[in-house]
Amino acid sequence: GAGVSQSPSNKVTEKGKDVELRCDPISGHTALYWYRQSLGQGLEFLIYFQGNSAPDKSGLPSDRFSAERTGGSVSTLTIQRTQQEDSAVYLCASSLVLLAGGDTGELFFGEGSRLTVL
Amino acid sequence: GENVGLHLPTLSVQEGDNSIINCAYSNSASDYFIWYKQESGKGPQFIIDIRSNMDKRQGQRVTVLLNKTVKHLSLQIAATQPGDSAVYFCAEKSNNAGNMLTFGGGTRLMVKP
Repeated sequence: GAGVSQSPSNKVTEKGKDVELRCDPISGHTALYWYRQSLGQGLEFLIYFQGNSAPDKSGLPSDRFSAERTGGSVSTLTIQRTQQEDSAVYLCASSLVLLAGGDTGELFFGEGSRLTVL
Repeated sequence: GENVGLHLPTLSVQEGDNSIINCAYSNSASDYFIWYKQESGKGPQFIIDIRSNMDKRQGQRVTVLLNKTVKHLSLQIAATQPGDSAVYFCAEKSNNAGNMLTFGGGTRLMVKP
């Protein structure tokens, strides 16, 4: 597609259930990022992938959160045993180049997946 | 820890006036900054970026100013339009914080007709 695609756009789940959020980055983009945005707040970095390198997981808030990126394209963010504080919009972004050493890298964001944990 | 923050959470301007949105950062190692615009229900959208070796960069109706001495970043929007109403985020990248962008808390811009 032309842009970053995320699904589902909205997810309501019960506390304790597992959820999976999907991200289809822009074709050819080598870097993929997950951010979390709580209501009225800024963006909290979660994890990013670059090519075949080991992902930077430094932003994941707990071991209930995990993410994978298959074939260097589609990524899935999994939240196990969801808690109410996990409620937020989960944003995925991709970029053509990694933000390294002086390189610029505009991030293209998807519309996000809104997660509500009851 | 080091972070990026904003002075004003909400800015209200009259249509046609110029808007200035401010951002303070504390990491002196930051070398790249971006402004994003986020409309309600949508993902952030790139507006303009600037490297730390520059102090000003202009786009279409927007200008970003960087003052490294006081670690201050601003976004100026000329002739503000109703379509400019959104939340604006500044973001930074620094070599000592990996390769991710760190976002500030956001400023809501409201344009009055």
